[in-house]
Amino acid sequence: GEDVEQSLFLSVREGDSSVINCTYTDSSSTYLYWYKQEPGAGLQLLTYIFSNMDMKQDQRLTVLLNKKDKHLSLRIADTQTGDSAIYFCAESRDDKIIFGKGTRLHILP
Amino acid sequence: DAGVIQSPRHEVTEMGQEVTLRCKPISGHNSLFWYRQTMMRGLELLIYFNNNVPIDDSGMPEDRFSAKMPNASFSTLKIQPSEPRDSAVYFCASSLNSGGVGEQFFGPGTRLTVL
Repeated sequence: GEDVEQSLFLSVREGDSSVINCTYTDSSSTYLYWYKQEPGAGLQLLTYIFSNMDMKQDQRLTVLLNKKDKHLSLRIADTQTGDSAIYFCAESRDDKIIFGKGTRLHILP
Repeated sequence: DAGVIQSPRHEVTEMGQEVTLRCKPISGHNSLFWYRQTMMRGLELLIYFNNNVPIDDSGMPEDRFSAKMPNASFSTLKIQPSEPRDSAVYFCASSLNSGGVGEQFFGPGTRLTVL
């Protein structure tokens, strides 16, 4: 299919790691992205990975890319209440970005 | 820079009325995108422009929707006549299409309610 797929909901206890998974469709995508949407706001780029990389780490964020399986994941270490948001997986395609439906991350106390 | 500016932030209208949503992209950006977000369908790309020219409008739901970009600093999305199923949050985003990362910068959105 043409869709970027990701689960809709994830609940994690504060302090634990969150792992959000995604499958994309276009093996020729140059960039894979994770966008974050906080309540009442637009999407904001959180991190991205170039398609020739397997992993990218940025402070509490780790992105893993498996090109063979077209699988992308975002790990948030030491999840905090401020991480509560919707996380969108996305892939570059021509001069557009194709977004998944978003994973709503809920933080449990 | 103030970022992408959208107006109005909220719009409540009655079925059959015309609705016009406005967007000012980030200065210097040459691509502009209109999205619609609903719980049921997630984020949908409606139309996008490169250098003020519409490139792909295949996401526009039907003829009731139209979009224009008369210059590099302004775009409108018009719905005429509006229907209750058009209720959603409409986002405008802009980017610098220069072969780089292609990050899109989103505005705060317009929440449209059609009664």
